[in-house]
Amino acid sequence: QVQLEESGPGLVKPSETLSLTCNVSGGFINRGGFYWGWIRQSPGKGLEWIGSIYHTGSTHFNPALKTRVSMSVDTASNQFSLTLTSVAAADTAVYFCARHHVVVTAPRFEFWGQGILVTVSS
Amino acid sequence: QSVLTQPPSASGTPGQSVTISCSGSRSNIGSNTVYWYQQFPGKTPKLLIHTTNQRLSGVPDRFSGSKSGTSASLAISGLQSEDEADYYCAAWDDSLNGHVVFGGGTTLTVL
Repeated sequence: QVQLEESGPGLVKPSETLSLTCNVSGGFINRGGFYWGWIRQSPGKGLEWIGSIYHTGSTHFNPALKTRVSMSVDTASNQFSLTLTSVAAADTAVYFCARHHVVVTAPRFEFWGQGILVTVSS
Repeated sequence: QSVLTQPPSASGTPGQSVTISCSGSRSNIGSNTVYWYQQFPGKTPKLLIHTTNQRLSGVPDRFSGSKSGTSASLAISGLQSEDEADYYCAAWDDSLNGHVVFGGGTTLTVL
């Protein structure tokens, strides 16, 4: 059973950079077969896809966040990461990492981390 | 404003059937498969339906998905109190180099 766990700071100052890492266990990112994604949920709001990355480094991003988002994969550590620059209060959300489907056009997220609340505040 | 439009709320009594709609466009639902997620308050979303109408293993057959044109639906029959949750639809959108879009979510209340 694949398990995912997010880690990173719970508080980020406005205009600074948010960095999160997702540790994957029970499966190897570099075996391929799946994209790995980030989804966020603002308090009391719906789900918003941020982007997904393949173990080769191929990425797909939400057009609304594309200019501020980057993702990377560390196959040696079996982790993947999210970086979001120039954050504002609107970026306050629970950030989930999840295993995406091998076909990126299929938003099939079967395994999720428990989520990490990131608050943007000075 | 979500790309996929869902009613904010739905309700039914135990045993009844309820349908949650998800309205999109030609570039998303009209061209791609639809996925449905269930989320309880404070919990992680759970995939219920994939590829428009396929239940994930372990999901009761009371849940079914369908699609017609640019709209999709999640039907729940024999409503139970434990079905009270938020439900989200999702699809790939072919516009802007392609991206995943979610509906705004529907809160289902079992009266």
